[in-house]
Amino acid sequence: EADIYQTPRYLVIGTGKKITLECSQTMGHDKMYWYQQDPGMELHLIHYSYGVNSTEKGDLSSESTVSRIRTEHFPLTLESARPSHTSQYLCASSEWPGQGDNSPLHFGNGTRLTVT
Amino acid sequence: GESVGLHLPTLSVQEGDNSIINCAYSNSASDYFIWYKQESGKGPQFIIDIRSNMDKRQGQRVTVLLNKTVKHLSLQIAATQPGDSAVYFCAENISNRDDKIIFGKGTRLHILP
Repeated sequence: EADIYQTPRYLVIGTGKKITLECSQTMGHDKMYWYQQDPGMELHLIHYSYGVNSTEKGDLSSESTVSRIRTEHFPLTLESARPSHTSQYLCASSEWPGQGDNSPLHFGNGTRLTVT
Repeated sequence: GESVGLHLPTLSVQEGDNSIINCAYSNSASDYFIWYKQESGKGPQFIIDIRSNMDKRQGQRVTVLLNKTVKHLSLQIAATQPGDSAVYFCAENISNRDDKIIFGKGTRLHILP
């Protein structure tokens, strides 16, 4: 069972609102990620982090921000929601064996966001 | 059943048969590959991974094959069960670079009774 939790599970919000999607993991993983996924489609990387105080931009990062103040917590903020943000947002974490090595991602069950 | 070509959105397989899901990855420098299973309403779930110094790896009922010459990855599921119905994604990563894991387009596996 994955120990990574996302809230809210579903969110419907009006255009222009500021929203924060929460993600927490209890596995002590250093690396965390946010992906955006439209139904049945591939995942697109929004942001990722190597650890506390580390944040990196992915391919779709321009309209959102993240913070990593604690290892277990990696919230995603949309400053001004638009209908084009309607999608599923998936948070993931992984161990970081070190530079040049890899480990698989563990995903939460996502937040389904609808912007009206 | 077997999917061929760059991407087949849906693969239908008879229950009990073996399934083969194919993936063509994009970057010849990729050296780590992962298969994920995503059921409806859930996040992707790790199935199996393989590093570029291997060409085959087996798990429980699953086998991943890697052909670096043609940049091709496949997932074989033995004795397909109804619980295998899901969308399957391959993903690639390049070590010693930016640690981004890039996902391919998924293949929906549909199990026929």
